[in-house]
Amino acid sequence: GAVVSQHPSRVICKSGTSVKIECRSLDFQATTMFWYRQFPKQSLMLMATSNEGSKATYEQGVEKDKFLINHASLTLSTLTVTSAHPEDSSFYICSARAPNQPQHFGDGTRLSIL
Amino acid sequence: AQRVTQPEKLLSVFKGAPVELKCNYSYSGSPELFWYVQYSRQRLQLLLRHISRESIKGFTADLNKGETSFHLKKPFAQEEDSAMYYCALTSDSGGYQKVTFGTGTKLQVIP
Repeated sequence: GAVVSQHPSRVICKSGTSVKIECRSLDFQATTMFWYRQFPKQSLMLMATSNEGSKATYEQGVEKDKFLINHASLTLSTLTVTSAHPEDSSFYICSARAPNQPQHFGDGTRLSIL
Repeated sequence: AQRVTQPEKLLSVFKGAPVELKCNYSYSGSPELFWYVQYSRQRLQLLLRHISRESIKGFTADLNKGETSFHLKKPFAQEEDSAMYYCALTSDSGGYQKVTFGTGTKLQVIP
């Protein structure tokens, strides 16, 4: 079945650091990738949708300059949290889908900013 | 705006009892609806999508456009069904896909 790999699974870093999270589709071409944020005991909140080769579309309230998304190839998207602060600490999940196919999710990245 | 509502945070049923996890949506166009399941310490995975009209692990879900619902049902709950279930709606507008998840329902099957 379709596999999505997300790396790293856990990041702990100091305030002010920029953190990059990778999302790879291992055995299919992901024309669309999604980035979500999940707070404890809450549902997934869509942050942005990215189509390969084009700029990401951000949801209302998500800072584009804060959360940089790159989807340069059909198998890789990256989310960079720039100048991270403690309030950015959260669980970030990516998903990927091929045309007319359902999303497949990564394992998520737990980001902790000290 | 699209919205997905899962009214129950927790649903506890006894093993062998029927299960119905509720999902209602609001969307003006033709949505794509999904059920995702997350077992303990595992990633979110697709359970059902409405266009497939299939049964997975004994679960079925029918899209009712009149009631704007996509309830998930299983006639006899098993212990291994205990998990978190999310209903999700995907819409496509001019190549831009928007996904909205419900808040999730935790299903607890009591032995």
